[in-house]
Order: sequence, then C-alpha cells, then structure tokens
Amino acid sequence: KQEVTQIPAALSVPEGENLVLNCSFTDSAIYNLQWFRQDPGKGLTSLLLIQSSQREQTSGRLNASLDKSSGRSTLYIAASQPGDSATYLCAVRRNSGNTPLVFGKGTRLSVIA
Amino acid sequence: GAVVSQHPSWVICKSGTSVKIECRSLDFQATTMFWYRQFPKQSLMLMATSNEGSKATYEQGVEKDKFLINHASLTLSTLTVTSAHPEDSSFYICSAPWSGADTQYFGPGTRLTVL
Repeated sequence: KQEVTQIPAALSVPEGENLVLNCSFTDSAIYNLQWFRQDPGKGLTSLLLIQSSQREQTSGRLNASLDKSSGRSTLYIAASQPGDSATYLCAVRRNSGNTPLVFGKGTRLSVIA
Repeated sequence: GAVVSQHPSWVICKSGTSVKIECRSLDFQATTMFWYRQFPKQSLMLMATSNEGSKATYEQGVEKDKFLINHASLTLSTLTVTSAHPEDSSFYICSAPWSGADTQYFGPGTRLTVL
C-alpha cells in the first residue's frame, strides 16, 4: 500500500527566504506526482504536476523535482512571501486514467513578514 | 481548466439526520469521481470511487450503508451521509479525472458539522 510522507509537518520562515518542502513515497511505481496548496478551510489548488518520466517542473517561484527511483520529491519555493502561507500537499497517482491520488499529510507553512 | 463544483459548501445538521452533498463536473464528463474526507490537520483520505451507471467501490473501513453514493449522470455524483453523528464532522472533497490534462480536478469541498 502506497504511503506518502511529508517533512516537515510545519515550517515558519521569515519573508524572503528560500525553502524546501520534502515528500517521500514508499512505492516508486507511480504515474505522476502532484503538489497542491490548501488554504485554511478551503479546497485544493494544483501547483505543479510531474510525470514519472520527468525530473522537474517549474512555475514562477516554485520548482518541484522528482526522483522516482528513490521515492522522493521536493518543492522549492524561492523568495517566500506572506501570501505563500498555506498547507502544501504532495500526492501520487499509480496509474493513468481513473485512479485516485494518495496524499501526504502536508506541510503547514507560515511566512512571517 | 476544467471545473468541478460542490454543493453545499458548508452544512450544519443535528445528529441522526441525513445530509446530501453534490459534486458536479461543469464542463466535462466524468465517468468516475472520487470522494475524499479530511479531518483537521490530517491528509485527504479516499473514501470511495463513484462510477457512473454502476455501484460505487468503497475503501476499507468506510461503511457503504452509511455513506451512500449515487453517480446518476456523467456530470453528477452525490454523497449522502446517513444518520450523521458528530464523528462524521469533516471536510468532504470530490474530484474528477480529466483525460484532457491527465490530472484530476477537485471541488472546493464541503464542511460538514454534526451537532
């Protein structure tokens, strides 16, 4: 059974810092991996999706990497801002088509002005 | 991108009552939809897979008679929490896979509070 772990569980940084969020998964047989943002009491916002054949994806100040063989992914946030404060969730998908995502518990990020 | 809606966004009910939550894919057809549940400070956990025109499949530990799922059309799945109890209070989120982007689109979630 796939298990997804995210470290750290919570993180507080001053504005402007670069930071790294970590995600690991036990079964490397994944189809893709996705990073989401969740604001308190809200739904999910997709940030980046990495296919299993890819090594990284970038969007603005966000960069996600994937090392499928070792079961790891990192989300790098450059020049953090208070508006980045949220919970960041990592999720993996085993197959294409109609298969569900398996989520980690998330990292709660607070960026202090 | 594709849009998935949920209704209601929040609901408060008394213990013992039933609550229906709707999940709609607004601009694409979804033969499959997923229902997740999220307790405070916990991850999203898959409850069940909703299949259009057939029975839903439930994850281990999820009572199918308590969480009734109906996928009546290609754009609508409903989750009914029957005889709700305070321990059912949670955030319920649905998602629908879309082959056009090889991803899933999530609804905004429904906050259920059972008194």
